[in-house]
Amino acid sequence: AIQLTQSPSSLSASVGDRVTITCRASQVISSVLAWYQQKPGKPPKLLIYDASSLESGVPSRFSGSGSGTDFTLTINSLQPEDFATYYCQQFNSYPLTFGGGTNVEIK
Amino acid sequence: EVQLVESGGGLVQPGGSLRLSCVASGFTFSTYWMTWIRQVPGKGLEWVANIKGDGSEKFSVDSVKGRFTVSRDNAKNSLFLQMNSLRDEDTALYYCARDRITVSWHDAFDIWGQGTMVTVSS
Repeated sequence: AIQLTQSPSSLSASVGDRVTITCRASQVISSVLAWYQQKPGKPPKLLIYDASSLESGVPSRFSGSGSGTDFTLTINSLQPEDFATYYCQQFNSYPLTFGGGTNVEIK
Repeated sequence: EVQLVESGGGLVQPGGSLRLSCVASGFTFSTYWMTWIRQVPGKGLEWVANIKGDGSEKFSVDSVKGRFTVSRDNAKNSLFLQMNSLRDEDTALYYCARDRITVSWHDAFDIWGQGTMVTVSS
């Protein structure tokens, strides 16, 4: 199974900060990677698909990049509603694995 | 409104069985791959199983193979997960989710239900 390693596992940031989360795959997965945001008590929400395509309705301060094994989710100008846990997921091959998550907390 | 609503969770003893359901509305259910994902409270996400729109293909994670079966009834816009020989480690919130696209390979899950909790305990 392809393992996805997210870093950091948690971070503290302030409103207005630029935040970068990394997802590294244990093997090449092309660009079939998605990013989700999850808030407590809620299901995950799709942010990015195909590594860099912004889901409809998602604010443009979210962006994704990368290919191969290294991927990045960037949040420009962090807003209060962005404090949440973020997960990456690969769709290259079964099982469709998720990263361990990155918890973005308020500094 | 596009919506997924899960049901069927509950408390079950180890070795027992449970059948989860997910009812879809607001989209042409039969054209989408559908998926079950689970999450232990406070922990990460784990993909469990999925099924093609016409039911002709199914895949699952190794830890549930031979115990869980995914199925669907397109006439009733419903997705199911039959869970047998349940273990303590199957305790989790189970979500159903929809593939973002209907053609080609999977690329993301764009619609998620609110989840149904399964607790395996004696």
